[in-house]
Amino acid sequence: KQEVTQIPAALSVPEGENLVLNCSFTDSAIYNLQWFRQDPGKGLTSLLLIQSSQREQTSGRLNASLDKSSGRSTLYIAASQPGDSATYLCVTFQGAQKLVFGQGTRLTINP
Amino acid sequence: NAGVTQTPKFQVLKTGQSMTLQCAQDMNHEYMSWYRQDPGMGLRLIHYSVGAGITDQGEVPNGYNVSRSTTEDFPLRLLSAAPSQTSVYFCASRGLEGAKSEAFFGQGTRLTVV
Repeated sequence: KQEVTQIPAALSVPEGENLVLNCSFTDSAIYNLQWFRQDPGKGLTSLLLIQSSQREQTSGRLNASLDKSSGRSTLYIAASQPGDSATYLCVTFQGAQKLVFGQGTRLTINP
Repeated sequence: NAGVTQTPKFQVLKTGQSMTLQCAQDMNHEYMSWYRQDPGMGLRLIHYSVGAGITDQGEVPNGYNVSRSTTEDFPLRLLSAAPSQTSVYFCASRGLEGAKSEAFFGQGTRLTVV
C-alpha cells in the first residue's frame, strides 16, 4: 500500500529565502507525482505534475524533482514571497488507482 | 476552459434532507472522484468513476450515492443528511495516461448540516 509522507508539517521562513519541501513515498513503482497548493478555505491548485518517466518539472519559481529509486520528491521554491504562504500537498497515483495524499506542509512566508 | 466546476459553493441542510452536489468537467477526463475534507483528517475518497456508467466506492461511501451518465458530469447525492456529513466536499478529475493524467480539483462545496 502506497504511503506518502511530507516533512516538515509546518515551515516558517522570511521573505526572499529559497526553500525545499520534501515528500517521500513507499512504493517506487509510482506512475505520477503531483504537487498542489491549498489556500485556507479554497480548493487545491495544481502546481506541477511529474510523470513516472520524468525526473523534474519547472514552472516559474517552482521546480519539482522525482527520484523513484530513493522514493523522494522535492519542491523547490526560489525567492519566496508572502503570496507563497499556503499548504503544499504531494500526491501520487497510478493509472486508474486513487490519489494518495501526503498530510501537507503548511508554509508561512514572513514579510 | 472552465476546468472542474462545482455547485453550489455553500449549502446549509437540515438533518434528514437530501441534496445533490454537482460536478462538471470540460477536459474529457475519464477519471472523476469526490472527496471530503475535515479538519485534521486530510482528504478522504467518497466515490470515484473511471468512465461513463462505471462507479465505485472509496473510503467513506456510506450516506452518499453517485452516478456517471456522461463523461462530463459526476453528481454526488446525499440521501438523508446527517450532522456528521458537515464538511467541505471536493470534486476532482483527471485523464488516465500521460500529461492528461494531471489532476484538477473544483473549488469545493462547504456543507453544513444542522
